[in-house]
Amino acid sequence: DMKVTQMPRYLIKRMGENVLLECGQDMSHETMYWYRQDPGLGLQLIYISYDVDSNSEGDIPKGYRVSRKKREHFSLILDSAKTNQTSVYFCASSRDFSSAETLYFGSGTRLTVL
Amino acid sequence: GEKVEQHESTLSVREGDSAVINCTYTDTASSYFPWYKQEAGKSLHFVIDIRSNVDRKQSQRLTVLLDKKAKRFSLHITATQPEDSAIYFCAASMNSGTYQRFGTGTKLQVVP
Repeated sequence: DMKVTQMPRYLIKRMGENVLLECGQDMSHETMYWYRQDPGLGLQLIYISYDVDSNSEGDIPKGYRVSRKKREHFSLILDSAKTNQTSVYFCASSRDFSSAETLYFGSGTRLTVL
Repeated sequence: GEKVEQHESTLSVREGDSAVINCTYTDTASSYFPWYKQEAGKSLHFVIDIRSNVDRKQSQRLTVLLDKKAKRFSLHITATQPEDSAIYFCAASMNSGTYQRFGTGTKLQVVP
């Protein structure tokens, strides 16, 4: 079954707390992504991972870091969360980055930072 | 970098009518143009795409048109149904080596 799984679905944190968002995929896709979705802004890329331990910043990386130690797993970390990081976060994957490919999205994590 | 714009933030059509959602892009090197659908409260999923070697692609009730000269592409949905109601996102990238950049989304409402 081709699936991207995100945990948790909903998360409420206080400003200054650390946040860990997790994403897994079962398709052996090389490339994984973290996007955030805000009203009126569409989806903005935070980080992209080309494979294990090969990550690059996207358009809005400030305040975030990522970790990919296994091909099937990609984490987004917010050290000392801020209220402006309240958003819906989507993880996605694609077969590889060498050719343009369809993205497969997870179900999203709605993060609220109080 | 590439900038993708979706001009209609909302669109309302009557059931059975056609809907057209338009996008423009800025980078002439872009050559891959997918569309994604997000139903209320759900994630995005791929619906159709087009590459720059063609100017039209059809899949059942969906057709994508690409005008490279105008740097414009559009999603046409014929015989709309209530289940077509969703937010539709267009995106653009090069065929290799760049990630997809998204438009801001068009909320399509199909009214009975």
